Amino acid sequence: GAGVSQSPSNKVTEKGKDVELRCDPISGHTALYWYRQSLGQGLEFLIYFQGNSAPDKSGLPSDRFSAERTGGSVSTLTIQRTQQEDSAVYLCASSSDLNQPQHFGDGTRLSIL
Amino acid sequence: AQSVTQLGSHVSVSEGALVLLRCNYSSSVPPYLFWYVQYPNQGLQLLLKYTTGATLVKGINGFEAEFKKSETSFHLTKPSAHMSDAAEYFCAVTTIYNQGGKLIFGQGTELSVKP
Repeated sequence: GAGVSQSPSNKVTEKGKDVELRCDPISGHTALYWYRQSLGQGLEFLIYFQGNSAPDKSGLPSDRFSAERTGGSVSTLTIQRTQQEDSAVYLCASSSDLNQPQHFGDGTRLSIL
Repeated sequence: AQSVTQLGSHVSVSEGALVLLRCNYSSSVPPYLFWYVQYPNQGLQLLLKYTTGATLVKGINGFEAEFKKSETSFHLTKPSAHMSDAAEYFCAVTTIYNQGGKLIFGQGTELSVKP
């Protein structure tokens, strides 16, 4: 079956621009997670959704980062006024329920010029 | 709070040799432990997981790991390395008390396999 799909796969943008990253989870998966992978920081948790609500936003690095999930399915991670330190691979994962194994997408590689 | 330490950022083995990737965790409550593998330009693929029960866990591609509470370890092994095993491996921890089951990852170990 279809796995977690992320788009775009690569995004290059200028400093100060806003970007939107999209995640389509596995059909039926209620939990959705965003992580960031960078050379200096490794893999970091950003936010998770259970259904459409986000009980834990503790990993979002600043108020420039936000995320939403609609219809219990697609999620969008938005970064406003991008900075060079935002350059990283943003990974999305979904699971059938909390504490079930998470299935990852291939990520969006974000480069800020 | 939980944390994971992976000893060795790079490990190199010969094809056919034993693979041993080390992972130690810190958790004040019973942990759930995972090993993921990442191939270049791809996401993470689950190799195996430990939640409760048998402490020796078998995963895909011939890998296995043993949960040792006394040593707070969850090392990953494979008896005979294959060229296709070359990738980056991540150990991760969560707990039932971790809101939402968010994963805490180690820094990763890059495995190279020499012919």
